[in-house]
Parts: sequence; structure tokens; C-alpha cells
Amino acid sequence: SQTIHQWPATLVQPVGSPLSLECTVEGTSNPNLYWYRQAAGRGLQLLFYSVGIGQISSEVPQNLSASRPQDRQFILSSKKLLLSDSGFYLCAWSDRLSRYGYTFGSGTRLTVV
Amino acid sequence: AQTVTQSQPEMSVQEAETVTLSCTYDTSESNYYLFWYKQPPSRQMILVIRQEAYKQQNATENRFSVNFQKAAKSFSLKISDSQLGDTAMYFCAFMPLTNNDMRFGAGTRLTVKP
Repeated sequence: SQTIHQWPATLVQPVGSPLSLECTVEGTSNPNLYWYRQAAGRGLQLLFYSVGIGQISSEVPQNLSASRPQDRQFILSSKKLLLSDSGFYLCAWSDRLSRYGYTFGSGTRLTVV
Repeated sequence: AQTVTQSQPEMSVQEAETVTLSCTYDTSESNYYLFWYKQPPSRQMILVIRQEAYKQQNATENRFSVNFQKAAKSFSLKISDSQLGDTAMYFCAFMPLTNNDMRFGAGTRLTVKP
């Protein structure tokens, strides 16, 4: 069966520090991969999605970037965090046609101080 | 652009009763999927139910069912025999078949009271 792992679960980082959140998927090949951000009490904002290695699409310009160095690995990064980067970050995967929706990881709560 | 609207920011229901969460969407697409996701306090997003737009029959999963009205672009979720564990944020989502880009509503916070 397919599983998705996301870490760390919680992170507190100072303003101006770098960020790296990692997401991996097991039990499937060529998944679509997604990074979402959820501000407190708010809906989900799509940040990046990827349909293959090295293929990244960005939904909104921001302080973040994403990379997909391997088929089932998706990384969210920042060189210098801002206070506004605080939030809950969710990774998700789907099959090529996304027929069954997205399967989400357990999320990372990021607090920038 | 597709938009998803959940007009009820918060709702509450007594345990064992039935509640309906509303969702409307705007699209020019003819083929798409609709979803309801549940996000409990743990914040793990869990798929509750899925509807294919080309199927007229409403989807059902145990105590969860939908009322899909394609012409009205409405997709409500009915929870029967509400349980305390149903307390969560519920997100409606739309995904066209043309680009697999899922769009979420702002969510409805449901509280089930004992």
C-alpha cells in the first residue's frame, strides 16, 4: 500500500534562517506531488506541484522554493524565513489522473520567531 | 478559474443527529471530481467521500452521503448519526479532469456536542 511521510512534525525557526521540509512517498511510482500551506483557521493554499523529477510548478510567488530530486521525494525550502512563513505545511500525492483525490501527509507546523 | 465556496464557517450538531454542510462551486468544466475532506484536531487531512461529476447517483460512505446537484453546482455533505469523533474542519474540494488541480473551499468547522 502507498504511504506518505512528512517531517519534521514541528519546527520553530528564527527569522532569516533556512528551511528544509521533506516529503517522501512509498508504494507508488511517478506520483504527482504537492505542497500546501494552511494558515491558522484558514483554508489550503497550493504552493507547488510536481508531475515528475525536476518539474516544479509554482502557484504563487513567495519566499519558498521546491525541488524534486527523486521520483518520490519532494522538498520545500527557503533560504531566509520570514515571519509570514509561519503556518501548517502539508505534502500530498496523487496518481497521474488524481482519480481518487490527494493523499496527505501528517503535516509540519512551522513557527518563525 | 474555479472557485469553491463554503458559506458556513462554523456549525454544531447534537450527537446522534444529522447535519448538512453546504458547498457550491463555479466552473465551466463539464468533467470533474468533487471531494469532501475532514481535518480533525490532529490536522491530518482525511478523504471522506468522492463524487464523479458524470455520475448522477449521489455517493455514500457509511454515515456520510452527498447531495450533488450539477446544474446548480452544489455539493453538500450530510452526516447522519453524528458522533463526537466527527468534530473537525470539513473542506469541500473541486478538481477538473483537465489539469488535476484541486481547489479547496475555506472550510466549515463542525462541532458535535454530547
